[in-house]
Amino acid sequence: EADIYQTPRYLVIGTGKKITLECSQTMGHDKMYWYQQDPGMELHLIHYSYGVNSTEKGDLSSESTVSRIRTEHFPLTLESARPSHTSQYLCASSGPGQGGSEQYFGPGTRLTVT
Amino acid sequence: AQSVAQPEDQVNVAEGNPLTVKCTYSVSGNPYLFWYVQYPNRGLQFLLKYITGDNLVKGSYGFEAEFNKSQTSFHLKKPSALVSDSALYFCAVRDSRSARQLTFGSGTQLTVLP
Repeated sequence: EADIYQTPRYLVIGTGKKITLECSQTMGHDKMYWYQQDPGMELHLIHYSYGVNSTEKGDLSSESTVSRIRTEHFPLTLESARPSHTSQYLCASSGPGQGGSEQYFGPGTRLTVT
Repeated sequence: AQSVAQPEDQVNVAEGNPLTVKCTYSVSGNPYLFWYVQYPNRGLQFLLKYITGDNLVKGSYGFEAEFNKSQTSFHLKKPSALVSDSALYFCAVRDSRSARQLTFGSGTQLTVLP
C-alpha cells in the first residue's frame, strides 16, 4: 500500500457549503494530482502540482481550487458546493523521473452534494 | 496529442482461463504505458509499466503486458484468472516527447466467473 491518505472518505453536504478535501503523502513526492471520477468511469485530471507553490489546472475544467504550501499536503477546496460536484475525487502522487514514474493513489473521497 | 483506447467496456472470463484486457494508444513520441486496477470504493493500484526495453513486462499479482509498437497496443494478460481479479482496469499513456500528464482510458470491467 502506498502512503497517501485522503479525508474524509465519504462526505454528504448541502448546496452552497464550502468544503475542503484533504490529501497527504509521506513519500516525499514532488508531484501531486487531483482527479475526478464518476463511479466506474474514466479519470479526469483537474489539478496538479510539481512542487511547493506550484499548481496548475488539468484537462477538465473545475470550480475547485488547490494549494501546495507543503510538499506532503495538497488540499482541494470548493467554495460553494453544487449537486454537479457530486463525484469521487482521487488524489495521487509520483516520484522523480522524466515521466516514467507511476502514480500512487489515495483511497478517494466520495462527495455527494444535496 | 496523446490518447488511449480500451475498446471493451466489459470482459468476462471463467476462472482458470487466460484473460486479456485490450489497450491501444496514440502518441507522437515514444510512449510510457501503465496499467492500473481499481477495486470497488478504492483508489487505483499500479500494476505494471512499460518505459523502454523488453516488450514483455511483468507486474503485480501475476499480470503481464506486451508492448507492440507496430500495432500501438499494450494488452494486459494473465495466464490463469482468479475470481479475485474481478475489478476495473485502466490503461494510461504519457507521450515521452510532449506530454506532462497521463491520459487514462475509459476502463474495462473484468469479471471472472467461478
